[in-house]
Amino acid sequence: EPEVTQTPSHQVTQMGQEVILRCVPISNHLYFYWYRQILGQKVEFLVSFYNNEISEKSEIFDDQFSVERPDGSNFTLKIRSTKLEDSAMYFCASSEGHSGDTEAFFGQGTRLTVV
Amino acid sequence: RKEVEQDPGPFNVPEGATVAFNCTYSNSASQSFFWYRQDCRKEPKLLMSVYSSGNEDGRFTAQLNRASQYISLLIRDSKLSDSATYLCVVNLYSGYALNFGKGTSLLVTP
Repeated sequence: EPEVTQTPSHQVTQMGQEVILRCVPISNHLYFYWYRQILGQKVEFLVSFYNNEISEKSEIFDDQFSVERPDGSNFTLKIRSTKLEDSAMYFCASSEGHSGDTEAFFGQGTRLTVV
Repeated sequence: RKEVEQDPGPFNVPEGATVAFNCTYSNSASQSFFWYRQDCRKEPKLLMSVYSSGNEDGRFTAQLNRASQYISLLIRDSKLSDSATYLCVVNLYSGYALNFGKGTSLLVTP
């Protein structure tokens, strides 16, 4: 069964460092997303990406965050200068159509720990 | 009203029991509704979409009450493998974002 894959599964970084989280969405999907889940909290939307541009972003997705689809398969989330409060599980997701209409498939997540 | 609100539980039920979860959402104009399941420290996985007329998938039944802005999930004949957190998810503003509730924890015991 096709799946969304994320690397690394766990990333530890020092405050102020840049991190790049990587995702390979399902190959025929057109919509890509990043969500995060702080431990014990709800899953929160960060950003969606369609047709090579950001289609929507939340208040969380400030200037410290960026996304990129550098080639035909990868989708990355960059955090420029990490803060302690960026510690969370980051989920990449993809869907064939708009997420309101079709199933969004989530990757297994990258646990980011900022120390 | 919080955007998507759920009773956090936990619900502890014996195998074979019927259990129901409820969820309320803030935007009456919302059009898309889902139940996801999340196992401990794993990714959310779609359990079922929720349709206006209500829908059933095996032991799982979902209902939508637009007037009350209320969604429910009923699980019949609970199995040990149903133990998980159940996430109510709404596409609140018809954008690309899915809005998640905090989840309701279910533990099915032998």
